Amino acid sequence: EAQVTQNPRYLITVTGKKLTVTCSQNMNHEYMSWYRQDPGLGLRQIYYSMNVEVTDKGDVPEGYKVSRKEKRNFPLILESPSPNQTSLYFCASSLGLYNEQFFGPGTRLTVL
Amino acid sequence: KNQVEQSPQSLIILEGKNCTLQCNYTVSPFSNLRWYKQDTGRGPVSLTIMTFSENTKSNGRYTATLDADTKQSSLHITASQLSDSASYICVVSANTNAGKSTFGDGTTLTVKP
Repeated sequence: EAQVTQNPRYLITVTGKKLTVTCSQNMNHEYMSWYRQDPGLGLRQIYYSMNVEVTDKGDVPEGYKVSRKEKRNFPLILESPSPNQTSLYFCASSLGLYNEQFFGPGTRLTVL
Repeated sequence: KNQVEQSPQSLIILEGKNCTLQCNYTVSPFSNLRWYKQDTGRGPVSLTIMTFSENTKSNGRYTATLDADTKQSSLHITASQLSDSASYICVVSANTNAGKSTFGDGTTLTVKP
């Protein structure tokens, strides 16, 4: 089944403890992106990747890192999480910029 | 600054009725505009994608229009169903940095029986 998977789906952590949220797609998509969604603010783009080893900042990249070492995976790294990074995170992928974008199920992160 | 504004913020309609949601944007130069449907707690699902040369696109009961001159788009839902209750999000990308997307805050649609 064609899909975007994210792990973990739920995570409660403490300030400063490094964490990684994984994202994987099985559709051979070139474009991948990370978003966060907060109440009243809608979805905001964190980072995106046009292809392997090509990444760029979205609107809210501060406090996040990404890597794209292989086409199928696009992990989101929080080196030192803070409470303002408590949010619902979505990963998405598409074949190209003008193709349908598929979203993962979301990761709900709480930073205490 | 690139912005996407959606209206209304929320809308309640009766099952079977039609409705139209609006999206105005200042993103320039324009690359593409997407409409998504998002059910509560789930990831958005793509409804339509339009580039500069397209002024209408349909997906079942959903029809999106685009006026690139006035920088406006609308999403028309025909013969609404209870399952149409969701948030509808307009997303615009600029040509200079087409991988970067600007999201509207969404319109929350409630369809009542």
